[in-house]
Amino acid sequence: DGGITQSPKYLFRKEGQNVTLSCEQNLNHDAMYWYRQDPGQGLRLIYYSQIVNDFQKGDIAEGYSVSREKKESFPLTVTSAQKNPTAFYLCASTPSPGGLLETQYFGPGTRLLVL
Amino acid sequence: AQTVTQSQPEMSVQEAETVTLSCTYDTSENNYYLFWYKQPPSRQMILVIRQEAYKQQNATENRFSVNFQKAAKSFSLKISDSQLGDTAMYFCAFRAPLTGNQFYFGTGTSLTVIP
Repeated sequence: DGGITQSPKYLFRKEGQNVTLSCEQNLNHDAMYWYRQDPGQGLRLIYYSQIVNDFQKGDIAEGYSVSREKKESFPLTVTSAQKNPTAFYLCASTPSPGGLLETQYFGPGTRLLVL
Repeated sequence: AQTVTQSQPEMSVQEAETVTLSCTYDTSENNYYLFWYKQPPSRQMILVIRQEAYKQQNATENRFSVNFQKAAKSFSLKISDSQLGDTAMYFCAFRAPLTGNQFYFGTGTSLTVIP
């Protein structure tokens, strides 16, 4: 079955620690996105990538980093500079950057908690 | 910047009744696309319905329909014959060619269907 997988489902971070959230898709989509979801704030864009080896900052990129070395993978690292990382993180993809009516396909999410 | 506003944080509806969720947006663009997404308790985001701004006819998907008022920049979602499985968070989203193909989301409306 084609889709987006995110792992782990739950992740715990200690103070000063970097952690990496995995996002993999087998849909052959070009564009991939990372969102942060907090109660009452909807989805806020952290980073997005429209093509391999290229990515752009979203509205809340500070304290996060990404890479896009392969088309199917778009990992997100939450660095120690992110002072309030507790949130639900969603990864998404679209078939092509220019297909504007195309919907985003979402992964099941990762819940990050700070110890 | 594009903004999407959902002014109803919570709503409830009796089973089999009809409910309308509101969404307004602010943009200076003429060509754009609008989406409604559903996030049930499982937190898996699912596309409900989408609309192209240049199409005057309102989109319909089974029990879900939209009332798109371009001049008023309004994009409400009507759910007919509400079912218990419709209980979820609903997010309105906006996408436009000149905003880097990003999706902009509202803060969501939590809908509860009462048996």
